[in-house]
Amino acid sequence: QLQLQESGPGLVKPSETLSLTCTVSGGSISSGSYYWGWIRQPPGKGLEWIGTIYYSGSTYDNPSLESRVTISVDTSKNQFSLKLSSMTAADTAVYFCARQTRGGGPREFDYWGQGTLVTVSS
Amino acid sequence: DIQMTQSPSSLSASVGDRVTISCRTSQTINIYLNWYQQKPGKAPKLLIYATSSLQSGVPSRFSGSGSGTDFTLTISRLQPEDFATYYCQQSYSTPYTFGQGAKLEIK
Repeated sequence: QLQLQESGPGLVKPSETLSLTCTVSGGSISSGSYYWGWIRQPPGKGLEWIGTIYYSGSTYDNPSLESRVTISVDTSKNQFSLKLSSMTAADTAVYFCARQTRGGGPREFDYWGQGTLVTVSS
Repeated sequence: DIQMTQSPSSLSASVGDRVTISCRTSQTINIYLNWYQQKPGKAPKLLIYATSSLQSGVPSRFSGSGSGTDFTLTISRLQPEDFATYYCQQSYSTPYTFGQGAKLEIK
């Protein structure tokens, strides 16, 4: 059974960089059969796609986050990571990692991590 | 960006009812429309992908339909565990976008 688990700090100071890691178990990132993505959800609000990566390192980013996002993959550890710079209170959210199916490009998110709440506060 | 508009944003229904939730996109997205269910404090769960394909393990009372820019999620006979928030999402082009959600509550 595939499992995804987010890890990282629950509290980040304004202007700092958030670093989160998603560890995948029960399946291999390097199989190339799927993409791997990050989605976030501010408290009480809807879902926002952050970005997606393929095992090769190719990425798709959300332009709304400008150039603040860096997504990387470590196939040796079966992990992928998110860095979000210049954090503000507006970035306070639950951050989810998820697997994205591959069908001529990234498609639906079929497996999700449980999510991790990140609060931006001094 | 492709804008996603769900309606209604909230609805009340009873166990055994049939309910439909609509999702309209700002441009044609082929079949690349997905539906998720989210319960409080939990991650979203994929229900329907590619407009009408039922995700493995999801009860058959859930179904999806539509084309072009208008899509629908139907729950044929509501069960107590179906009360949740439902999101549509397009995977036609980046940035992948979600609807604002439709909260289904018990009447």
